[in-house]
Amino acid sequence: EVQLVESGGGLVKPGGSLRLSCAASGFTFSSYSMNWVRQAPGKGLEWVSSISSSSSYIYYADSVKGRFTISRDNAKNSLYLQMNSLRAEDTAVYYCARDGEGSDYWGQGTLVTVSS
Amino acid sequence: AIRMTQSPSSFSASTGDRVTITCRASQGISSYLAWYQQKPGKAPKLLIYAASTLQSGVPSRFSGSGSGTDFTLTISCLQSEDFATYYCQQYYSYPPITFGPGTKVDIK
Repeated sequence: EVQLVESGGGLVKPGGSLRLSCAASGFTFSSYSMNWVRQAPGKGLEWVSSISSSSSYIYYADSVKGRFTISRDNAKNSLYLQMNSLRAEDTAVYYCARDGEGSDYWGQGTLVTVSS
Repeated sequence: AIRMTQSPSSFSASTGDRVTITCRASQGISSYLAWYQQKPGKAPKLLIYAASTLQSGVPSRFSGSGSGTDFTLTISCLQSEDFATYYCQQYYSYPPITFGPGTKVDIK
């Protein structure tokens, strides 16, 4: 069974940092590109970042470019999102999702709250 | 960036109704379109990819059509578990991957 489990969310002050993790199981993690998608409270879905299977290709939304860093460790079946210089508008539930034709598997999400 | 729009933004329907949601891309995306269902407090669920291919395990009352810029999601006979918010997403040209703003279907 495919599982994606996010962790690392929490309350952080503006300007602070947080590192999200996504533990993958039930599939060959090293064969898939992965995405981070976020959803602000009461709002729609916003793509944040993508990373190819071997980390050769990395993309970011303009809203996080220069502040967030996506990475993966295929040996540990894990995906990461390092978030620096956090702003109030980064407050959201962050989902990791397996990429394909659409994202066919999603984690349960982890809540990041940026507030003083 | 390709902009995705959806209509309507919300509507009320009854179980048994046939409902259609429209998604439009700001430029042609061939058939690189996915539809998701999301219920409150839950992660999105992939329903359809490649505009019209039903994801494994998704009931056949869901169907998708369209190509280029105009797409539709149809639920042939609305069930109680279908009351949710639906999003379209293009994956033709990225970055960025872009989602529509969502269509909320609630109970009449």
